[in-house]
Amino acid sequence: DIQMTQSLASLSASLEEIVTITCQASQDIGNWLAWYQQKPGKSPQLLIHSATSLADGIPSRFSGSRSGTQYSLKISRLQVEDTGIYYCLQRYSNPYTFGAGTKLELK
Amino acid sequence: EVQLQQSGPEVGRPGSSVKISCKASGYTFTDYVMNWVKQSPGQGLEWIGWIDPEYGSTDYAEKFKKKATLTADTSSSTAYIQLSSLTSEDTATYFCARGPFDYWGQGVMVTVSS
Repeated sequence: DIQMTQSLASLSASLEEIVTITCQASQDIGNWLAWYQQKPGKSPQLLIHSATSLADGIPSRFSGSRSGTQYSLKISRLQVEDTGIYYCLQRYSNPYTFGAGTKLELK
Repeated sequence: EVQLQQSGPEVGRPGSSVKISCKASGYTFTDYVMNWVKQSPGQGLEWIGWIDPEYGSTDYAEKFKKKATLTADTSSSTAYIQLSSLTSEDTATYFCARGPFDYWGQGVMVTVSS
């Protein structure tokens, strides 16, 4: 199985700060990587697909990048509504696997 | 507008089965597979498998092959997941998600309790 490692379980940042969340794949997954935000009691919301493509309706302060098997989600200016848990997902091969999540809070 | 409307919360006895539904609207149901994802209380997300509603073909994560059965009814644009031989480990929220995981249902809480 492909392991998706989100090294930070939690992260605290200030308003307007730049935040970067990373996800390391255990093997090559190409661009089959997506990022999600989940708020308590809600379903995950797609932010980024194909590693770098912004999903419809998502603010442009969110962006995704890739360097080899390391993937990053960047929030350029943190807003109050950006708190939540962020997950990466690889759907390169069965079983599709999620990272363990990074909980983002406001400082 | 794409919507995935899931059925209500379920309580199942240990050893029994439950079947939950996911009704799709706002797109052609047979154009996308439907995925199912498990989220145990306070935990992360696990992919269970997908079903292709057009052909009825399925793909499961090995871990869920004996636990989950995915079906779909194209006449009602509804996908189903049946969970069998319930144990406390099956207590979780179950989500359906359209093929590219771009749209998700609201989730169904399944509680296994005697």
